[in-house]
Formats: sequence, C-alpha cells, structure tokens
Amino acid sequence: GENVEQHPSTLSVQEGDSAVIKCTYSDSASNYFPWYKQELGKRPQLIIDIRSNVGEKKDQRIAVTLNKTAKHFSLHITETQPEDSAVYFCAAGVYKLIFGTGTRLQVFP
Amino acid sequence: GAVVSQHPSRVICKSGTSVKIECRSLDFQATTMFWYRQFPKQSLMLMATSNEGSKATYEQGVEKDKFLINHASLTLSTLTVTSAHPEDSSFYICSARDQGERAFFGQGTRLTVV
Repeated sequence: GENVEQHPSTLSVQEGDSAVIKCTYSDSASNYFPWYKQELGKRPQLIIDIRSNVGEKKDQRIAVTLNKTAKHFSLHITETQPEDSAVYFCAAGVYKLIFGTGTRLQVFP
Repeated sequence: GAVVSQHPSRVICKSGTSVKIECRSLDFQATTMFWYRQFPKQSLMLMATSNEGSKATYEQGVEKDKFLINHASLTLSTLTVTSAHPEDSSFYICSARDQGERAFFGQGTRLTVV
C-alpha cells in the first residue's frame, strides 16, 4: 500500500540555523504534497504545500522542494525561531493523504 | 484557510457505550471528509474516507462495524465509535479538502474509555 517515510524523527537546532526535513513516498500517482505543523494537543496546521507540476515553492522562511523522479520532497525552514518548535508532518496523495511519521523540531534560543 | 469544526473536543465514556463525533466544514462544502486516528507522539493514521450520500471507504484493518461513519450532508460527517473499549481510547481527528484541494483539520476529539 501507500507509504510515506519521514526523516529525521527528531531535530534540534540553534535559533537562527536552518532545519531540513525529508520525506519519501511510494505511490507514484501522488500529486499533492502538503506539510503540517502540529503543536501539542492541537490540530495540524497547513504551513505549505506543493503540487506535482512544481519543483519548488517558497513562503517567507519556509520552502518545499519536490523531486518526482526520486519521489522525494523536503521542507526547509531558515532562520529558525523558538516558536518553530513543534512536530512537523509531511503528507502525500492524490485525494486521500497519507502522512509521514513526523519530525519533532526543537529550536533552542 | 477553510474552517473545519469538530465536536466534542474531549469525551470520557464507559466501556460498552457508543460515542458520536461530529465534523463540520463551516465555510465550504465538502463532498468528502477524512477520519484519522492519532496515538500519542505518533503520526496520523487514515481510518476512512467519508463520502456524502454514499458509504464510507475504510482503510485496511479498520473495522467498519466498529467505526460507523455517516456523511448525510455536504457540511457534516459523523464518526460513531460503537461498543467502545479502553483500547479505542485515542485522539480522533477529521479533515476536509476545500475547493483548492487543501486539507484542513478539525480540532480533534480525545476519547477516553474507562
């Protein structure tokens, strides 16, 4: 069945550094790749998404890249801030979304 | 972004009873909604796809008689956990995709079965 792998499971960075989270998907039909941020006890919040006809998308400090041939996509956060600390999930799919295992990001002041 | 509302946010029930969770799209119509289950510090596991006016599609390993899904209107889907047991205790969360096909989540429901 469909599978989405996400690495690393935990990531600690110093404030101001960059953070990169990578995902690999198995279903080559997938055409939509969103990223979510989830704080403890809260709902996942959509932070950025990319579709298969685009290789890269940027929104201020957040960017996502997609390599459809390799079935890889990545989230890049620059100039990290303590409030970026949360669990980040990638997802992939056509209509229903399959989620990655999550990355716990900690940004230390 | 689009607003998805889920109720209740927390529920405690006795073993053997049933619990109904509602998921509403407040500012858009959703012909399809999705139900996920999330264990502590784990990912969101897709349980089923709720289709307005037709039967839900369940993922492999999810008991359809245990988790009843009804999608009677374009803005409301319900998940009923029947004959709940302690192992059903979890965080249940719904999502819906708007016209731009972005998926938004409800607040989630923390179910505790005692």
